[in-house]
Amino acid sequence: GQQVMQIPQYQHVQEGEDFTTYCNSSTTLSNIQWYKQRPGGHPVFLIQLVKSGEVKKQKRLTFQFGEAKKNSSLHITATQTTDVGTYFCAGPNNNDMRFGAGTRLTVKP
Amino acid sequence: DTEVTQTPKHLVMGMTNKKSLKCEQHMGHRAMYWYKQKAKKPPELMFVYSYEKLSINESVPSRFSPECPNSSLLNLHLHALQPEDSALYLCASSHPGMSQPQHFGDGTRLSIL
Repeated sequence: GQQVMQIPQYQHVQEGEDFTTYCNSSTTLSNIQWYKQRPGGHPVFLIQLVKSGEVKKQKRLTFQFGEAKKNSSLHITATQTTDVGTYFCAGPNNNDMRFGAGTRLTVKP
Repeated sequence: DTEVTQTPKHLVMGMTNKKSLKCEQHMGHRAMYWYKQKAKKPPELMFVYSYEKLSINESVPSRFSPECPNSSLLNLHLHALQPEDSALYLCASSHPGMSQPQHFGDGTRLSIL
């Protein structure tokens, strides 16, 4: 079955440093979604990428979808303490939604 | 503020108890989901309802029984749970189709004694 792999598992940065998390699927995805879950909170939808090679930006966040639609990345420029949380990629597949393991980001002020 | 409301927020129950988790949304979504999330793990899909009909059962044990009384409500009935069932149970809703972005509730944190 489909597997969605995400790295790194943890990332600790100094405030102002950049951060990137990577997601890889064992199968081609129709689209990929990114969610953020704050400590003690629930997943919150960030963005959806659909097209091969697509790049989308939300302020300091840049999302990319690979040409083969099997990988994706989320890059945060100049992290802030409000960026703390776990970032999940998620790949819908037919009647299933598989989340990556998540990358837990901590930011030292 | 979340637009998907889950009750209760916390639940402690014994292995012989029967309880229910409730979820409500008023966003006009016709798909609703139950997920289970263990600590430091991603959400795992349990059930999907589309147009009030169960469309997916991810081989979840029968001690979990979902119910969708109408397009706004989703319940999860619990009976004879095991300690390993302790987890955060998340409800989500979306427009129909697994490719649609999902809106999650705050979850019910369940502890089985």
